[in-house]
Amino acid sequence: DAGVTQSPTHLIKTRGQQVTLRCSPKSGHDTVSWYQQALGQGPQFIFQYYEEEERQRGNFPDRFSGHQFPNYSSELNVNALLLGDSALYLCASSLTSGGENEQFFGPGTRLTVL
Amino acid sequence: AQSVTQLGSHVSVSEGALVLLRCNYSSSVPPYLFWYVQYPNQGLQLLLKYTSAATLVKGINGFEAEFKKSETSFHLTKPSAHMSDAAEYFCAVSTAAGNKLTFGGGTRVLVKP
Repeated sequence: DAGVTQSPTHLIKTRGQQVTLRCSPKSGHDTVSWYQQALGQGPQFIFQYYEEEERQRGNFPDRFSGHQFPNYSSELNVNALLLGDSALYLCASSLTSGGENEQFFGPGTRLTVL
Repeated sequence: AQSVTQLGSHVSVSEGALVLLRCNYSSSVPPYLFWYVQYPNQGLQLLLKYTSAATLVKGINGFEAEFKKSETSFHLTKPSAHMSDAAEYFCAVSTAAGNKLTFGGGTRVLVKP
């Protein structure tokens, strides 16, 4: 049973560019959450998707957007990259419709903005 | 609003000694509380969770935590540290199962032989 997978594992971009990160949830899960973890800090909640809609959002600018597909996979898009967007981006999946609500995390995508 | 404070960004323990990691939370509603561990260059792995059942929660790898409402604390302990326990540990709070997690700043544990 595959866990949460994320791609790519590493990414290097320059300021002003746009980036798309991808996440496949654990088999059977229907909810995906995204977190940003800056170096030396705890993860910060970006947003959560359920039934292809954004259900909750943290304190992040509109440059951060997302999408959830019918197969429950998700993308995180960041526009107009800033140096401060350099971080580990973590995806977590869970099951809203009954069953376990525990969030399972993927290995993350390390984004470096130069 | 909810928040988590982890006292001590770094903790050094000797192999075989007690591990104690402190976590205090703030929540306007009865909280769900979690401890996660993160090994270098990896994601987060759940150690244990409190979801309003027993106040003493046992987790994986010999870890346990006690929910104390009066102290708004959820400290993590392990009686005897192992070299493999060297990692970063995060305490997190949520207002409901499956809702967004609010994390503390983390505590890095170093285990000395």
